[in-house]
Amino acid sequence: KQEVTQIPAALSVPEGENLVLNCSFTDSAIYNLQWFRQDPGKGLTSLLLIQSSQREQTSGRLNASLDKSSGRSTLYIAASQPGDSATYLCAGLTSGTYKYIFGTGTRLKVLA
Amino acid sequence: SAVISQKPSRDICQRGTSLTIQCQVDSQVTMMFWYRQQPGQSLTLIATANQGSEATYESGFVIDKFPISRPNLTFSTLTVSNMSPEDSSIYLCSVQTGTTNTGELFFGEGSRLTVL
Repeated sequence: KQEVTQIPAALSVPEGENLVLNCSFTDSAIYNLQWFRQDPGKGLTSLLLIQSSQREQTSGRLNASLDKSSGRSTLYIAASQPGDSATYLCAGLTSGTYKYIFGTGTRLKVLA
Repeated sequence: SAVISQKPSRDICQRGTSLTIQCQVDSQVTMMFWYRQQPGQSLTLIATANQGSEATYESGFVIDKFPISRPNLTFSTLTVSNMSPEDSSIYLCSVQTGTTNTGELFFGEGSRLTVL
């Protein structure tokens, strides 16, 4: 059964820092990998989608990479801002079931 | 992309009652899902809402407790039946665009239920 772990569970950094969030899968047989942002009490906003044939995606200050061989993905946030404070979730589209399995999330707080 | 509207956004319910959550999508999509997010937890898939047929439920979720309707490709409802405080969660509607192994997932704003 696919399990997705995100490290760290929580992170507090001063404004301006570059940071890396990690996501790992117990079963590396996944198609897509998607990163989301969730503000407290809200739904999820899609940040980046890495398709099966891709290794990374970039949007603004965000860069996500996927290494299927190791079952790991990272989300890099450059020059963090207080507005980046949120919970970040990764989700992998698993082969076989064709369903997205969600990670445990990383709660990020960027201090002004 | 897809824009998803959910109603209600939040509600406070009494134990033993039922509540129906509506999900409206701005375009026709084949794949629609309902997730639950318990306090402080990640997302758990409840079921896949199938247009014109019974929903496909994940392990631990049953139709009597979470009946789902999907009358067309843009609309679905999830009912949480005979609620107890353990049902207090955010319920999220989502759709997957594209194909089963290439699509991107989009979410509504969620419906936050508190059961007293």
